[in-house]
Amino acid sequence: DAGVTQSPTHLIKTRGQQVTLRCSPISGHKSVSWYQQVLGQGPQFIFQYYEKEERGRGNFPDRFSARQFPNYSSELNVNALLLGDSALYLCASSLLGSATEAFFGQGTRLTVV
Amino acid sequence: ELKVEQNPLFLSMQEGKNYTIYCNYSTTSDRLYWYRQDPGKSLESLFVLLSNGAVKQEGRLMASLDTKARLSTLHITAAVHDLSATYFCAVDASSGGGADGLTFGKGTHLIIQP
Repeated sequence: DAGVTQSPTHLIKTRGQQVTLRCSPISGHKSVSWYQQVLGQGPQFIFQYYEKEERGRGNFPDRFSARQFPNYSSELNVNALLLGDSALYLCASSLLGSATEAFFGQGTRLTVV
Repeated sequence: ELKVEQNPLFLSMQEGKNYTIYCNYSTTSDRLYWYRQDPGKSLESLFVLLSNGAVKQEGRLMASLDTKARLSTLHITAAVHDLSATYFCAVDASSGGGADGLTFGKGTHLIIQP
């Protein structure tokens, strides 16, 4: 059984550019959440989507946006990249969203230079 | 705002010893998770604790939850080198159909030395 898959695994971007990260959840899971993990810290919640609708949003600026597709895969977009956006971006898949166990992908390491 | 505090943040211990990691949180919740993260890797789910008094064990690790005290513990018995990693607790305090995601502690960086 395939787990949560994310692409790309590594990415280097320049300040001011835009980036799109992709996530495919575990088969049968309808919810995808995105987290940002800065080096040495715990992950921070960015978005949760369930059945293609945004169900929750963390304390991140409007430069961050996301969407979920009919096949439950998801994209995270970040515009006008800042050096501080450099982090590991983790996607988590769960059956129903809140109150169900979240399984994490391997992450996308974003470096902004 | 939900706050999750872990202690200690750094722990160096010898193989064969026992130790406990503590996770305190600031708001009512009965959904707490423990994850393990190896350097440069993603998060591996260890335990799901969904009720007061829940206790789960896997190998040398045991986790418990006291929702009244807003406290969870992760106990390591007879530590072995392979348990060296960073351990995170995370709390889900979502309610009313909304989704607040998981709020993580800062993590406990555990090094087990021979």
